[in-house]
Amino acid sequence: DVKVTQSSRYLVKRTGEKVFLECVQDMDHENMFWYRQDPGLGLRLIYFSYDVKMKEKGDIPEGYSVSREKKERFSLILESASTNQTSMYLCASSLAGTSYDEQFFGPGTRLTVL
Amino acid sequence: GNSVTQMEGPVTLSEEAFLTINCTYTATGYPSLFWYVQYPGEGLQLLLKATKADDKGSNKGFEATYRKETTSFHLEKGSVQVSDSAVYFCALGLYGNNRLAFGKGNQVVVIP
Repeated sequence: DVKVTQSSRYLVKRTGEKVFLECVQDMDHENMFWYRQDPGLGLRLIYFSYDVKMKEKGDIPEGYSVSREKKERFSLILESASTNQTSMYLCASSLAGTSYDEQFFGPGTRLTVL
Repeated sequence: GNSVTQMEGPVTLSEEAFLTINCTYTATGYPSLFWYVQYPGEGLQLLLKATKADDKGSNKGFEATYRKETTSFHLEKGSVQVSDSAVYFCALGLYGNNRLAFGKGNQVVVIP
């Protein structure tokens, strides 16, 4: 069974902390994505990666960075967490080459920044 | 740009009622269209898709037809169950572009 896993389901951090969210996929997919989901705003793309060590900014990259050192792993980093980054974070992956391929999502990490 | 618009607001209906969720799109090319579903406490999963005009996607009793003339991809189910309570997202993707554009989602609540 194909899978995207995220390191934590729930996370509570303090303002100013550095936060790492990890995502791992076992499908040998080239593309990986980080979204945040907020009520009334739907899904917004933060960053995506189409290959190891490659990344592109999404719609809301400010305050975030990413790392992709291995094909199966894509990390989202909040350099200095702020309360407005309290949200649900979803990771996804897909095959390269065409957007006809579905994106497979992880279960999400609900992050609270106090 | 490429975008998806879903009808505003949550949808509440009784078990066995007919469900329609509207989705319209704007795209510069010929997109593929998707419906994703998010059950409580879970990530999104693909419900159905259509890759060209007049295609009908179907799964679990849900259907959606790709209408190029009205730029729409409305989701329908003839008789909903309590287990269909979830958030439903419409999305589009363009060939050669790895990104999907998502609508804002609709919360569907089915009452017994």
